[in-house]
Amino acid sequence: AAGVIQSPRHLIKEKRETATLKCYPIPRHDTVYWYQQGPGQDPQFLISFYEKMQSDKGSIPDRFSAQQFSDYHSELNMSSLELGDSALYFCASSFSGTSGFGVSYNEQFFGPGTRLTVL
Amino acid sequence: AQSVTQPDIHITVSEGASLELRCNYSYGATPYLFWYVQSPGQGLQLLLKYFSGDTLVQGIKGFEAEFKRSQSSFNLRKPSVHWSDAAEYFCAVGDRGSTLGRLYFGRGTQLTVWP
Repeated sequence: AAGVIQSPRHLIKEKRETATLKCYPIPRHDTVYWYQQGPGQDPQFLISFYEKMQSDKGSIPDRFSAQQFSDYHSELNMSSLELGDSALYFCASSFSGTSGFGVSYNEQFFGPGTRLTVL
Repeated sequence: AQSVTQPDIHITVSEGASLELRCNYSYGATPYLFWYVQSPGQGLQLLLKYFSGDTLVQGIKGFEAEFKRSQSSFNLRKPSVHWSDAAEYFCAVGDRGSTLGRLYFGRGTQLTVWP
């Protein structure tokens, strides 16, 4: 079965550089979530999108932005990178259906993650 | 705000021994409850979930978990651990008030299995 695809799998950047992480959800999934997992930490929710609109926002720095495109893939853009941004970034997807808000909870399927190292 | 506590940072068991990983949550009502496993360099794989109904849920790889409302707990168990179970285990809760909602994770429990 198709899974969530993230690219690149590994990324090394210098401080103050910019990075773009991509997430391709499972086919027919319409919701994408981004999580950040620092070294030895639990995954922290950053942001999510449903039908190309931001649906929820967590502890995402202002230096980060994200969007979901018409084909439902999502990109997380990170600017002015700092050492503390070094982490594993997970994308997850789910199918929320046409009724969107108000439906029962939908299981999130996680990708393998992108490991970002900022030097 | 929702929070998840996994009191054991690291657990070591012998292969064939039983296992219980603890998870407590703080939430105003009954949340959606999940256990994920993460092998080194890998993503998060769902082991099992609880939405409603029977409080003892069965998952993949022989794992089960029991929801205890009175204790706000959702402990993960396995009767006989295999060496391949060595990994990090995360308990997570989903907000019933947010159908497209984020997951809140615990800090994780690292499981080491002795041969």
